[in-house]
Amino acid sequence: EVQVVESGGGLVQPGGSLRLSCAASGFTFSDHYMDWVRQAPGKGVEWIGRARNKANSHTTEYAASVKGRFTISRDDSKNSLYLQMNSLKTEDTAVYYCVRVTTNYYLDVWGKGTTVTVS
Amino acid sequence: DIQLTQSPSSLSSSVGDRVTITCRASQGISNNLGWYQQKPGRAPNLLIYAASTLQSGVPSRFSGSGSGTEFTLTISSLQPEDFATYYCQQRHSYPVTFGGGTKVEIK
Repeated sequence: EVQVVESGGGLVQPGGSLRLSCAASGFTFSDHYMDWVRQAPGKGVEWIGRARNKANSHTTEYAASVKGRFTISRDDSKNSLYLQMNSLKTEDTAVYYCVRVTTNYYLDVWGKGTTVTVS
Repeated sequence: DIQLTQSPSSLSSSVGDRVTITCRASQGISNNLGWYQQKPGRAPNLLIYAASTLQSGVPSRFSGSGSGTEFTLTISSLQPEDFATYYCQQRHSYPVTFGGGTKVEIK
């Protein structure tokens, strides 16, 4: 079964740090771009960043709202994606989703999400 | 950044109704648009990509159209399981952006 599973969420104080992990299975992880997307309570969906695949040197893209504070990385040997979040703000409170990106750049496999609360 | 504006933000419809949701882009994005459905407590689910291509496993009552700056998602005959929030998303340029969502509720 193709799936991604997030972990690492929790309660953190403003200014603190947290590292989220995403474990992928059922597909060739190294072939795919991977995204992080978040959803604040009662709000819409917000894309926060992307890690490209090995063929594209694992380069990254970020939304302006997190650039300089969040870092996306991946370890293809462990089929894992990571989100290092520093200098957290109350407005970063959200459910964070790990998402597989299709070859034509749509988001087709979503995890159940992990909740981050900054308070 | 490309802004996506969805309308309406919410609507009430009955089972069997035809429902149309619009997504307007702040600049031309060709056909680089997807549609997602999200049910409460669940992650979004890809319905349509490249503006009009149905994702595998998605019922044929869903359809998409449009190009450039104006796009529509149509549900031909609303079913009970279709009551959800729908989002459009552009992949034309970074940053990837989503519309604000359209909540489809039961009348």
